[in-house]
Amino acid sequence: ETGVTQTPRHLVMGMTNKKSLKCEQHLGHNAMYWYKQSAKKPLELMFVYSLEERVENNSVPSRFSPECPNSSHLFLHLHTLQPEDSALYLCASSQDLSQWNTEAFFGQGTRLTVV
Amino acid sequence: AQTVTQSQPEMSVQEAETVTLSCTYDTSESDYYLFWYKQPPSRQMILVIRQEAYKQQNATENRFSVNFQKAAKSFSLKISDSQLGDAAMYFCAYRSVGGAQKLVFGQGTRLTINP
Repeated sequence: ETGVTQTPRHLVMGMTNKKSLKCEQHLGHNAMYWYKQSAKKPLELMFVYSLEERVENNSVPSRFSPECPNSSHLFLHLHTLQPEDSALYLCASSQDLSQWNTEAFFGQGTRLTVV
Repeated sequence: AQTVTQSQPEMSVQEAETVTLSCTYDTSESDYYLFWYKQPPSRQMILVIRQEAYKQQNATENRFSVNFQKAAKSFSLKISDSQLGDAAMYFCAYRSVGGAQKLVFGQGTRLTINP
């Protein structure tokens, strides 16, 4: 039990498919994040949610649609992706955005391949 | 905007030896946090050590220690008595105090431990 669980671990999808990535945290945290990790590039923050409300959207294309139904679950809905969207998608959580001295805990990621 | 640079894409060290991973960053802020994360083949990002910018004392966690040079904006990680389990990608990260707890990552250093 890692605290932050992501499913699926691997996903291969066509450019016309619709799929969703799921993240669940068992730590009682109030903030959740999506990061994208591409080969040979630094991790890029995509979205930040605090108490189910989106507080940051880093100019992410609309083909990525996040959803946070409660403070324990975070989804990333994928639609008409491009091959360059292939990457490792990491979910993270932290206690609270107001408690800036706490760390972020990460899941194991979903390896996405768009064909 | 803050940036983090890791100039060593790959490093290797003999088991039981000491290795130092480099990290520099750029910021106009006076207070912030710095982190080293480890990403083993399991892909989960694990916090190794963190440093608060207002603290002059270098952080230490068992075999892991940092050399924090605030004026030079340098934050290197020293691993003593290297073990096979230390093999992983190591990421340096910066986080502002307050705000959405965005972590800004470097590009990573792949550390290999030679038996």
